Formats: sequence, structure tokens, C-alpha cells
Amino acid sequence: GAVVSQHPSRVICKSGTSVKIECRSLDFQATTMFWYRQFPKQSLMLMATSNEGSKATYEQGVEKDKFLINHASLTLSTLTVTSAHPEDSSFYICSASRGRGASPLHFGNGTRLTVT
Amino acid sequence: GQNIDQPTEMTATEGAIVQINCTYQTSGFNGLFWYQQHAGEAPTFLSYNVLDGLEEKGRFSSFLSRSKGYSYLLLKELQMKDSASYLCGAKDSNYQLIWGAGTKLIIKP
Repeated sequence: GAVVSQHPSRVICKSGTSVKIECRSLDFQATTMFWYRQFPKQSLMLMATSNEGSKATYEQGVEKDKFLINHASLTLSTLTVTSAHPEDSSFYICSASRGRGASPLHFGNGTRLTVT
Repeated sequence: GQNIDQPTEMTATEGAIVQINCTYQTSGFNGLFWYQQHAGEAPTFLSYNVLDGLEEKGRFSSFLSRSKGYSYLLLKELQMKDSASYLCGAKDSNYQLIWGAGTKLIIKP
């Protein structure tokens, strides 16, 4: 069964509003979670690394004030897209790993965001 | 810099065998992963290699040569449902997964 749960799976919002996406590790504690964005027919793009109890680490070119990440517990990380615009429409996927070495990344089912 | 290379697209016939290659250059190495991603869905884990050699898992096998910075994913007895993108990723010395752009595999009847 799924080990990482992501909610919502789909969201449509109006331009200018904010959207929160939740990512939960179901049966393990994840000190680190990863947020990806994927545009149609393109590969995964790492947006940020979410660290429990500390600030997220953002990849170059990703606006930290626009994509707010909160990792308040060992099983929950949230991504808030603030003041969304149509160009933010994309597939957002979170992932987490049970450990560092051989442990694979487990992905949530993704969130399809459409900004109108 | 760190880089993962894999073909953009491949086509194969149902029932046949296909090999998807991946070359990597990373700062340190802590394993090579293969994932399958169907359109509109999240990636799912297929295989992991950290030592040289072949890992077989049913119809899918993955091979690694660390000295060559090379891996391949072998899919046997292809089925239509195998049509998907296949992502190669390598973990660097910081255990960060570096992703390739993915290989879109098209299976024809």
C-alpha cells in the first residue's frame, strides 16, 4: 500500500488565491521530504527539500516566498502556493524516504493544480 | 557538474525485449534507482543498484557498472501496460537523488 499520502489530488483555484498541499508519510518518520514540480511531458524538477523543524532548502530559481514549505512534524510537510497564477498550473509531487542509503524515494500520488 | 543522460524516447514491440540505458556523473555515488511513471501519475519504484552487476526482478532487470558510470534497465516480454516513462536517478555523496530527464517508452502491438 501507499507509504506517502498527498492531498488533494486535484485542485482548481482562481488567480490570486493560495493553495495548500499536504504530504504525509504513513508508516515511517521522515525528517526530510522533497517537493517536485512536473510540467507536461517534462521530467521531475526538484523545487525544495523540506526539513523537519528547520527551514526548507530551495533550489535555484524557486521563489521561497511564493512556495511556502512547512515541515512541522516528522510525518507531515505542506506546500502552499501563494498568490497563484496560471503559470503555476502544474503537477506537484512530494516524496519521502525511510532512510538515506538504499532506501528508495516513495512518492505521493501528486496534486494537479489548475489556476484559472 | 552532476548529470544523468538517458534517451528521450524508445519504441518497442509487444512481447519483445528493450534495454534503456543511463549514464551518470555525480559527486560521489550512493546508488542508482529506476522508476516507472505513467502519464499523469507519480513515479513508482522499480529497482536499486549500488554494487556492480545485474539485479533481476521478474520481467525487469537492472544493471550497474560503477567504473563506467553506466546502468541499464531491461524489460522482457513487453506488455502494452509497460508504455510509460522510465526515470533513472543516482544518489550523490549527500544522498540527494539526481534525476535524468526520463525515457518515454512506446510499446506497439
